[in-house]
Order: sequence, then structure tokens, then C-alpha cells
Amino acid sequence: AQKVTQAQTEISVVEKEDVTLDCVYETRDTTYYLFWYKQPPSGELVFLIRRNSFDEQNEISGRYSWNFQKSTSSFNFTITASQVVDSAVYFCALSGNRDDKIIFGKGTRLHILP
Amino acid sequence: DGGITQSPKYLFRKEGQNVTLSCEQNLNHDAMYWYRQDPGQGLRLIYYSQIVNDFQKGDIAEGYSVSREKKESFPLTVTSAQKNPTAFYLCASSIQGWRYEQYFGPGTRLTVT
Repeated sequence: AQKVTQAQTEISVVEKEDVTLDCVYETRDTTYYLFWYKQPPSGELVFLIRRNSFDEQNEISGRYSWNFQKSTSSFNFTITASQVVDSAVYFCALSGNRDDKIIFGKGTRLHILP
Repeated sequence: DGGITQSPKYLFRKEGQNVTLSCEQNLNHDAMYWYRQDPGQGLRLIYYSQIVNDFQKGDIAEGYSVSREKKESFPLTVTSAQKNPTAFYLCASSIQGWRYEQYFGPGTRLTVT
């Protein structure tokens, strides 16, 4: 069975601090896909990144970076120099190779304090 | 602008009434999905459709129905059989299947009293 664990339910940091959101996954598939989504207060989920299991390169996009480590089954998300606009709920998600649905984690609510 | 539209943003209904939530996409995506989100909770899959005229039940399909007569449209009906229909409903689409990222609409907040 597939599983996604976001152990941090809620995090608060002061603006300009760096923050890392953890995501640990379980799957028996050798090919799988990992995702991060952002849900701002407006409610609409926004796609941030997709990674397949064969690509372990870390990704950087502006202030956002992702660290994918198969050895620890983790796909962590770091926001550098956080801003108030980063306040949102962030979801990590996993889908397998067999087109067998997507599993979302329960989300981490991030508060960036001015 | 390509995207997904859901209407209305807020919907109020009396208990015992069926209600249909609209979802339209102009992204030319094959797959479409409906999720339910309760306060402080993650997403739960209601129904999904990988292709026109075909759809599958998700994890919480009881009390809901869908149709997929056109590629662009995937309406969700919340029937009176749904015990706790008050929730935030999100529609999404992806180019093909679960391997690809999903793009979400703005959601419909349904309140049933």
C-alpha cells in the first residue's frame, strides 16, 4: 500500500527565515511520481513540482527547492527567505506506476509571521 | 487563458435537495477528478474520469454521482443520500492519468442546512 506522511501539522516561522517541510513516502513501485501542491487561503490548490523516481536531482525554483532522497524515502521542500505570501497549506502527494490513484498527505499548514 | 472553472464559488442548499456542481476545463486534458475537503483535512477522492463517457468511483463515492459526456465537463451531483454534504469541493484535471500533475479549479464551498 502507498502512504504519504507529512509529520508537521503546523509550522510558524518569522518572515525571512528558511523553512523545510518534510514528506516521507512508502511505495512498493519502482517507478513512481511525487508532487507538491500549495493551497493558499483562497482554497485553490496550485501545482508546484512533479518528480519521477528515476530523477533524484534536487530542484531549485527561485526561493523554493526540493530534496529527493530515495534512500530515506523523502521528498522535502524548503522555502528560503520566507515571505508572508508563502503562508498556505502544503500537500505532498504520491502516485505509482500502475495508474493506481494519487495519495495525498494530510498537509502542513505554514504560517509566515511578519 | 487555459484553466479550470468551477461554479458557483459558494452554494447553499436545504437538506434533502440534490445539487449539481459545475466543473469545466479548457486545457484539453483527458482526465478529470472530484475531491472533497473538510476543514483541516486533506483531500478525499470522490470520482474520477480518465476519458469521456467513462468514470470510476473514488474512496468516498456514496451519495454522489457524475457524468462525463464531454471532454471539457465533469459535473458532480451531491444527492440527498450524502449524509454530510457540507464541505469544500475541488475539481481537477490532468493531461492523462495519475502520473501527471493535476490542475485544480477554485473550488465550490457547499453548505447544506
